[in-house]
Amino acid sequence: QSVLTQPPSVSGAPGQRVTISCTGSGSNIGAGYDVHWYQQLPGTAPKLLIYGNNNRPSGVPDRFSGSKSGTSASLAISGLQAEDEADYYCQSYDNSLSVVFGGGTKLTVL
Amino acid sequence: ELQLVESGGGLVQPGGSLRLSCAASGFPFSSYGMNWVRQAPGKGLEWVSYISSGSYTIYYADSVKGRLTISRNNAKNSLYLQMNSLRAEDTAVYYCARGGMVGVTDGNDYWGQGTLVTVSS
Repeated sequence: QSVLTQPPSVSGAPGQRVTISCTGSGSNIGAGYDVHWYQQLPGTAPKLLIYGNNNRPSGVPDRFSGSKSGTSASLAISGLQAEDEADYYCQSYDNSLSVVFGGGTKLTVL
Repeated sequence: ELQLVESGGGLVQPGGSLRLSCAASGFPFSSYGMNWVRQAPGKGLEWVSYISSGSYTIYYADSVKGRLTISRNNAKNSLYLQMNSLRAEDTAVYYCARGGMVGVTDGNDYWGQGTLVTVSS
């Protein structure tokens, strides 16, 4: 069981907006540690999508956005495209001296 | 071009050992913390270990503590993972990933292609 909780799956039609939640606790997200998000396309290595809660690396479309509040964080994807179909993971740090990942969310574009 | 290339994976018997390497290029390796992250077949990402730029700070996941050892050689732009007393549950693709210049709480902005470790008799 992952320290950070994500929904196993989400789906949306092309053009729609979807959000993926990442719920932690007072020892990780709630302690003020940054949340990062990754996209993993089938058969490939993860790619950094959002860092420091709400920052996009160069080359990531502005359709992707991140937010954080209290012990939770969210990734929003607007204008959904077929190429967005992938697994998404959140990551933070925990006071137990460990990096923690969410269990991952599979996004299906209908 | 920035590159991280893992090597050293393969099939090993339970209780055996393996040493993974990650060759870095295209950036000042000695300035960045590095992580090993693994992914069991069909499963999610699991953080394994972190080492700071100068090797002064090292962290391990509880699941590997005492069995896996992270190290780096900045002169050779290389990251290593010595894996001892391997178990079936260590079977996974192992990725090396570049951390940040600040510390362990940074995101991982570049990842290698991964190397598969299979622990089986």
